[in-house]
Amino acid sequence: GQNIDQPTEMTATEGAIVQINCTYQTSGFNGLFWYQQHAGEAPTFLSYNVLDGLEEKGRFSSFLSRSKGYSYLLLKELQMKDSASYLCAAIDSNYQLIWGAGTKLIIKP
Amino acid sequence: GAVVSQHPSWVICKSGTSVKIECRSLDFQATTMFWYRQFPKQSLMLMATSNEGSKATYEQGVEKDKFLINHASLTLSTLTVTSAHPEDSSFYICSARVGGQDTGELFFGEGSRLTVL
Repeated sequence: GQNIDQPTEMTATEGAIVQINCTYQTSGFNGLFWYQQHAGEAPTFLSYNVLDGLEEKGRFSSFLSRSKGYSYLLLKELQMKDSASYLCAAIDSNYQLIWGAGTKLIIKP
Repeated sequence: GAVVSQHPSWVICKSGTSVKIECRSLDFQATTMFWYRQFPKQSLMLMATSNEGSKATYEQGVEKDKFLINHASLTLSTLTVTSAHPEDSSFYICSARVGGQDTGELFFGEGSRLTVL
């Protein structure tokens, strides 16, 4: 079956760095998304990776290893507003999105 | 980026009534829109894929007669929850890809929180 695994919850300190991991098992692969979702709001796009390697976008970076079925989202210089759920979603061979359950990130002062 | 607008943001209704949620792409044409449902502390669950000018494609376990989807134009898709019951209370979110590309960025509406009393 198809599956996305990511930690349920993580805690980090303001100003620090945190890495949220995501492993996926899909029938075929056409890329992986990371989305941020604040409580009670819709998800907002953070990144899209389809090739191996690191994509940097400001304080956020996303990494993909297709051979390992693995991705991570790296958040630097954490701010209180970064407290949210981070959703990992992979695109399978039918171009369907397979969503992870999300990682709730708690930022402490 | 592209904008997807969803309305209403909040709706409270009595059990047995029907509720319509609109999803509009404001600055692009969306031949395909997606409807999701999200229960508290759970991931997004795809309900159906809405195709302009044709019938929606429903995911397994989603009742097509209960969740009516209409995609009458390239900028509007509607989801009607018919004869709503308390168990239908959820966060409903629509999304669309820019340009219809299968791997293009997915933009989400603001979401509609439905509470059925």
